[in-house]
Order: sequence, then C-alpha cells, then structure tokens
Amino acid sequence: GAVVSQHPSRVICKSGTSVKIECRSLDFQATTMFWYRQFPKQSLMLMATSNEGSKATYEQGVEKDKFLINHASLTLSTLTVTSAHPEDSSFYICSASVGISGRFKETQYFGPGTRLLVL
Amino acid sequence: SQQGEEDPQALSIQEGENATMNCSYKTSINNLQWYRQNSGRGLVHLILIRSNEREKHSGRLRVTLDTSKKSSSLLITASRAADTASYFCAVNAGGTSYGKLTFGQGTILTVHP
Repeated sequence: GAVVSQHPSRVICKSGTSVKIECRSLDFQATTMFWYRQFPKQSLMLMATSNEGSKATYEQGVEKDKFLINHASLTLSTLTVTSAHPEDSSFYICSASVGISGRFKETQYFGPGTRLLVL
Repeated sequence: SQQGEEDPQALSIQEGENATMNCSYKTSINNLQWYRQNSGRGLVHLILIRSNEREKHSGRLRVTLDTSKKSSSLLITASRAADTASYFCAVNAGGTSYGKLTFGQGTILTVHP
C-alpha cells in the first residue's frame, strides 16, 4: 500500500517551453502532497506544500509563478514548470502524506521522481 | 537554519560489516525519519522515531535518538551489497501542521561484495 507514482519519469524540453509533472497517490487519498527538487549528489529541497482544494504554500525563494502547483483532487497534484530554462534542469520528486484523523501527518510516501532536462 | 546535517558524507565498507551514519539537527522536533535513495530513484522510508523515543529497531536497522544532543544515528548491521545507496535523515519539526520534512545532506554508502 501507499504507492505514489509520477509521470513522466523523464522529460527533455526546449528552453522557454512549459512542462507538467503529475503526482498520483494510487491506493490512498492524500490530503497533502509535497514537491521537492534535488540536484545531483545533493539533498532534497522542499519547494512547496500542496493541500487538496487550496493554494500551495511555497518555500522561501521558490517562485510561485514559475512553479505552478495544482492539487485538484485527493489523488492528484501537478507541478508545471513554466518557461523552463536550463537552470531548471533537476530531479523533481513528489511525496504524499496519509492524514490520520486528529493526528499529525507523519510519514511521507515518495514518488519515483521526474528527471527534467531543459536544453 | 539548516536541519539534518549528516556525517560521514560517504562511507565505504565491505559486505558483512556494520555501517553507522549520524545526523544532527538544530531545533526541537516532533519526529526524525530515515530514508534510503538508490541512484536516480525516489526515496524509500526506512524508519521513524518520535521525540519521546530513544531507540528503534527494524530488521537490520537500528536507530537511536538523543534529543539532548539533537542527534540521531542509523546503524545497518551485517551490510549487503544491496544496501548501497544514499541515506538521508529528515526532521519533522514540532509545531508544523503539515508534517513538513527537512532533509539532511545524506550519506552515500557503498558496500563492496
């Protein structure tokens, strides 16, 4: 149980185009999803927290107009990298947490990641 | 402030040996979690230890938590080549309502057969 998928697994695009990455919780409802980016040999940096039906909360330094997040349902969140540039090339990973009534959401279940290369 | 700083950055051992990785953090926490990441893949949750716990076991994994020193360690016993991966600690700071995690820099573990 608690499987999270991401699509696509890798994408190559031209500079200036937009890319959409999907994150789905396959066998549970995720009220909260998180988006991270990871540069080679580095740690995961949280970009934003996404709650179903409401606006995402972005971390300091992350441009909300560049990284559009939509969490329209309890099983799907999307990240759109708008007007992508080579410096946006990175590994993007989503995660989902299973809400437990009255308790703090603890464990996050991670997707397999999407590798974005902007030429 | 940076949370979840880990050492060593890289660890190379022989199969059968034990591997110990350490993690330090700066603020109060609700829990601390350890994850594994194989090269170019997503993260796999290994173990969660809450702030009121001192030690936890799961198979060949043993995690300790010392909140007075703001540190944790992950011990992998009888390592196998398949344990080769990056290991990250992540802290879930108290007071955050969405379970936000802050990750350390990670330890790259290489287990030689």
